[in-house]
Order: sequence, then C-alpha cells, then structure tokens
Amino acid sequence: KNEVEQSPQNLTAQEGEFITINCSYSVGISALHWLQQHPGGGIVSLFMLSSGKKKHGRLIATINIQEKHSSLHITASHPRDSAVYICAVRGGAQKLVFGQGTRLTINP
Amino acid sequence: SQTIHQWPATLVQPVGSPLSLECTVEGTSNPNLYWYRQAAGRGLQLLFYSVGIGQISSEVPQNLSASRPQDRQFILSSKKLLLSDSGFYLCAWSSSDRSYGYTFGSGTRLTVV
Repeated sequence: KNEVEQSPQNLTAQEGEFITINCSYSVGISALHWLQQHPGGGIVSLFMLSSGKKKHGRLIATINIQEKHSSLHITASHPRDSAVYICAVRGGAQKLVFGQGTRLTINP
Repeated sequence: SQTIHQWPATLVQPVGSPLSLECTVEGTSNPNLYWYRQAAGRGLQLLFYSVGIGQISSEVPQNLSASRPQDRQFILSSKKLLLSDSGFYLCAWSSSDRSYGYTFGSGTRLTVV
C-alpha cells in the first residue's frame, strides 16, 4: 500500500462543475502539499497545509490531521484547470512523498 | 524573489553516454535541494536531496549521482546512461527553516536511446 493515496486517478467533468480530489496518507507528517502539473511537465505548488483550510481564488484545500485526509476542491471549474493534481506529504528531513496524481480534464 | 533554473529542458542521449543536469537557485541562501524523477506514467520519486554544500543523501540505488559544489547549485550526473534512466527530472528547493513550501524547476525530459 502506498503511503499517499489519491482518488480518483482520473476525473472528467464539464466546465462549471465543482471538483473534489481526495488524498489519504498513512504516515506522520509535518505538512501536506498540493501540486499542479501541466502537460509540459512543469510543477506549480498550489498549497502547503498543516491544519485547517486554505483558499486561493477558486481553489480550496482542507486537511484533517486526525483522519489523515486532505481534499482539494475547485469551484466553477474551467478547461484551463485541466492538469494532473498531486498530493505530497512532508515527513522527516523535509522529504516529500508523492501520491500518484489525479488527471483532471475539464471539457468546455 | 527566489527563482530556480534548470537546464536543459529536453535531452536525447545514447545509451552509455554521460549525463549532467544542472540546477541553480537564486534569491536565497542555504536552501534544501532535491532531484526528483518521474518515469513515464508514474509518480514522482525522490532521487537525491541535499541540506548543505557537499552533503548528499541518496534515496534509491541507481546509476545516477548528485553533487552540490556551491550553496545554490545542484548537479545530477551519470557516467553511463541506461535506457531505464529515461524520464522527466525535476529539481526543487525548499527553505531550510521550513517556512516555505517547495519550488520546482521547469524540468528536463531525458530520453535515452
């Protein structure tokens, strides 16, 4: 079993839909990251969370430390949101352990 | 502001040839530096990380090595590439005081032929 599990692996939705991507982890962490990887491969850090909830524009990330679970939400989704979303947890020595990613496709 | 530079963006190399990928960070000092690899259809895997000059930790046994000759320079090398070394290589940095998240370079797509 992977230390970081994401679901779903693939998600296709229509423009405007509310999107939820889930991440569960099995190790103790100091922080959880949500990353966005575009088709060209470049990765952008969206959020770093250690508790509670963060919001940036149409993106919302939440984390429940007790349940070892985090969610990434996208409101009013748009085709430009199409990308791979990666959950990563930071354990010791600041090393990140990555989930396998969720491939999101938003159709116009 | 802090920036990270990684080059080259793409590279096609024959089996058995050497490799050198370079990553530099600007606008910060004493960063933690990382090399990650993403094989086709797979997730990111940590290859090496460094918390200071000359300090390199390897996560997986492999055909690659890393060096940190200067505070903000991280180099990934191989003496003889294998086909299995093909993939997408990402350099990243984080602050040593853990006050910031990670910043990734733009990546190098390596194809070994």
